[in-house]
Amino acid sequence: SYEVTQPPSVSVSPGQTASIPCSGDHLGNKYSSWYQQRPGQSPVLLIYQDSKRPPGIPERFSGSISGNTATLTITRTQALDEADYYCQAWDSTTAWVFGGGTRLTVL
Amino acid sequence: QVQLVQSGAEVKKPGASVKLSCKTYGYTFTDFYMHWVRQAPGQGLEWMAILTPGGDSINHAQKFLGRVSMTRDTSTSTVYLELSRLRSEDTAVYYCARGGEGSGHAFDYWGQGTLVTVSS
Repeated sequence: SYEVTQPPSVSVSPGQTASIPCSGDHLGNKYSSWYQQRPGQSPVLLIYQDSKRPPGIPERFSGSISGNTATLTITRTQALDEADYYCQAWDSTTAWVFGGGTRLTVL
Repeated sequence: QVQLVQSGAEVKKPGASVKLSCKTYGYTFTDFYMHWVRQAPGQGLEWMAILTPGGDSINHAQKFLGRVSMTRDTSTSTVYLELSRLRSEDTAVYYCARGGEGSGHAFDYWGQGTLVTVSS
């Protein structure tokens, strides 16, 4: 079965830029999405179709894809950005697959 | 505005079935896909099943083969998930989520989640 891989944790200092990678075979040929989940809350869509932001999502959040790695980048990181972040891949053959999640710590 | 409101927490014994509901508001129910995603305690997200906008087709992750059923009631804009032959590993928070081609098949709105506890 298809898998995408994320690091379990990433740390960043306030005001700095955080990058969270997500890798998978032929990921560049699929759609990648990113979700933020704060403790006790439902996930929130941050990025879809690799790099598009839904209405209401701050420009500090951006997505990119290069080869088999998608990356979520958070600029000017704030304490409220501490959360779990999940990447998700889709295509018509592999359906919907989530990565294991990355805990972002703002130190 | 778009809202997905799920039914309350459930406690079930192993081997039983559970049926969860997700009532939607604020958009044309029949224009979008609906999904169920679950999250075991302290674990990540796991996609379970999808119902197409026409309501005539369901697909699900292979691991739920034969145990999962999605239905809907268009008169109340509600989608249901039924999971049978429950086991302790099915203890999780279950989320309904909306999907669509316009969002690249991502899940753009989520319900608040329903905790299902399977315990003898």
